[in-house]
Amino acid sequence: GESVGLHLPTLSVQEGDNSIINCAYSNSASDYFIWYKQESGKGPQFIIDIRSNMDKRQGQRVTVLLNKTVKHLSLQIAATQPGDSAVYFCAETKPYNQGGKLIFGQGTELSVKP
Amino acid sequence: ETGVTQTPRHLVMGMTNKKSLKCEQHLGHNAMYWYKQSAKKPLELMFVYNFKEQTENNSVPSRFSPECPNSSHLFLHLHTLQPEDSALYLCASRTKAWDQSSYEQYFGPGTRLTVT
Repeated sequence: GESVGLHLPTLSVQEGDNSIINCAYSNSASDYFIWYKQESGKGPQFIIDIRSNMDKRQGQRVTVLLNKTVKHLSLQIAATQPGDSAVYFCAETKPYNQGGKLIFGQGTELSVKP
Repeated sequence: ETGVTQTPRHLVMGMTNKKSLKCEQHLGHNAMYWYKQSAKKPLELMFVYNFKEQTENNSVPSRFSPECPNSSHLFLHLHTLQPEDSALYLCASRTKAWDQSSYEQYFGPGTRLTVT
């Protein structure tokens, strides 16, 4: 399953399938990006990050892809599990000389069907 | 469980009440943040404190008053709130606000605030 992040806030996938959550960022000078997961009743939890000098970074069952040409970020979750159901946020940081603040996207709600 | 705790977890208050939200981090960080999270909207940064000094006020109404007595504690004092202020208020911490080696912020579970 695939979403377009800011434009499609929900994504429903079958357990075991791969999920792709997309995010468009705004500042071409942003140099660091983070994906957060927020489960119901909890605060956002760090998943994976990537710096602007990289195109891809892999974690455990997750991969983040960065396309600086079109200012696009994606989170791929392999073999999606029911525990992956949550809202996923991308965040970009403004360059260091602008305080390094995190700017969050709207979020995509991932629902995993058993 | 993160190293950032928030109390209370839920709060219902009238528009004339005064209440405070508390955040405590046990991570040895020096930067702390308040965010507002409303339904269907991105997290909105409210305030940033770095080494107890406020470095950012993101045009927040004066009915929200932050306080940071030390690097481990952050408060948000609330008075004469409006119903539209009902939201999840999240606290976060980071090593320090200007740390280029790590931008990750660690979040608490939030306080669900309802203004009646």
